[in-house]
Amino acid sequence: GIQVEQSPPDLILQEGANSTLRCNFSDSVNNLQWFHQNPWGQLINLFYIPSGTKQNGRLSATTVATERYSLLYISSSQTTDSGVYFCAAGGNAGNMLTFGGGTRLMVKP
Amino acid sequence: DVKVTQSSRYLVKRTGEKVFLECVQDMDHENMFWYRQDPGLGLRLIYFSYDVKMKEKGDIPEGYSVSREKKERFSLILESASTNQTSMYLCASMRLSGRADTQYFGPGTRLTVL
Repeated sequence: GIQVEQSPPDLILQEGANSTLRCNFSDSVNNLQWFHQNPWGQLINLFYIPSGTKQNGRLSATTVATERYSLLYISSSQTTDSGVYFCAAGGNAGNMLTFGGGTRLMVKP
Repeated sequence: DVKVTQSSRYLVKRTGEKVFLECVQDMDHENMFWYRQDPGLGLRLIYFSYDVKMKEKGDIPEGYSVSREKKERFSLILESASTNQTSMYLCASMRLSGRADTQYFGPGTRLTVL
């Protein structure tokens, strides 16, 4: 099955800083999603992005499917951005997702 | 907005007990999923269902079973709970649209097996 690796595993930022989170996947995908898990455990979908670029406010994501990676950009970070960011990828059996290990982000005021 | 609810936020059970975790979604989604989340391991798929009474094994089905008698409800069953099943359990749902789509998650159930 697809292998998904995320980097860095941990990230500490000062409020207002920008950051880039990376997701590498081992095979071609037809489903690539980014999620944010808040400190209470709720997972929220940020982007469905098997290819191309999307933006939503201070967040944007780019997936380069041919090179098997995706990037999540957080600009002007806020304390509410803290939590764990997961990348998840699915291949031919697109209903099933394989999750990466996550990037734990802490934004300090 | 899609709403996925789980029957309990926190649950404490004893070794050997039969445990039922319930998940309900209100958006008429065909696909439903059960994951467990453990520190350092991310989310791992236990089972998923693409229709009523249909189920497929995920990556770690051992020690678990599932039931989908109605479209909106997907149950995870631990026949005889063990301490290594202490974990956070997350349910998700997704529509079947002819292509892969977004998964929506419930709030999670943190299960402790003593």
